Amino acid sequence: QQQVKQSPQSLIVQKGGISIINCAYENTAFDYFPWYQQFPGKGPALLIAIRPDVSEKKEGRFTISFNKSAKQFSLHIMDSQPGDSATYFCAASAAGANNLFFGTGTRLTVIP
Amino acid sequence: KAGVTQTPRYLIKTRGQQVTLSCSPISGHRSVSWYQQTPGQGLQFLFEYFSETQRNKGNFPGRFSGRQFSNSRSEMNVSTLELGDSALYLCASSLASGHRWEQYFGPGTRLTVT
Repeated sequence: QQQVKQSPQSLIVQKGGISIINCAYENTAFDYFPWYQQFPGKGPALLIAIRPDVSEKKEGRFTISFNKSAKQFSLHIMDSQPGDSATYFCAASAAGANNLFFGTGTRLTVIP
Repeated sequence: KAGVTQTPRYLIKTRGQQVTLSCSPISGHRSVSWYQQTPGQGLQFLFEYFSETQRNKGNFPGRFSGRQFSNSRSEMNVSTLELGDSALYLCASSLASGHRWEQYFGPGTRLTVT
């Protein structure tokens, strides 16, 4: 059973537009929510992460919005660029362990 | 600082064989986690090693095993390979077990089972 549900599966956005990827979870023990970016032939790279004591975290063009009551979080990529074209994974983990539960991934394509 | 290195990068094995994959964590990192990535199942946690001890294990059969050496390098072994074991195997290192906010992934080993 998928512990973290991610949508959409794929996303096409025009250059300069906003990319939005959504994730939902059920396990209330999760208290750390990172997003990873993966390019073909590479391992996932940590992009940005949030803990449930804040509702939003912004780093450059990347913002995580977190809704604890709905058990949902999302990644917003502002001013999307062709170089952002990659697969994005949301993940979650609980205290005391390093194992991450990943969403199924979103393949983002930014067209010039 | 050098990143996480994994060897070999590509591997082709025959069903029924066994395989050993290697992971060298970032210098100073003592926790190594292994993940399997497939198109159908996505990224799934296999196990985590810290201080040469398995700290956590995912839901995989006993054919999947691992170990960690005193220098924090880790190996994972898959015995009696099945076609469904074809996947990208990723390792991630962090400073310590529970230090999950700074996990760095290697490029992976692409295993093909024929």
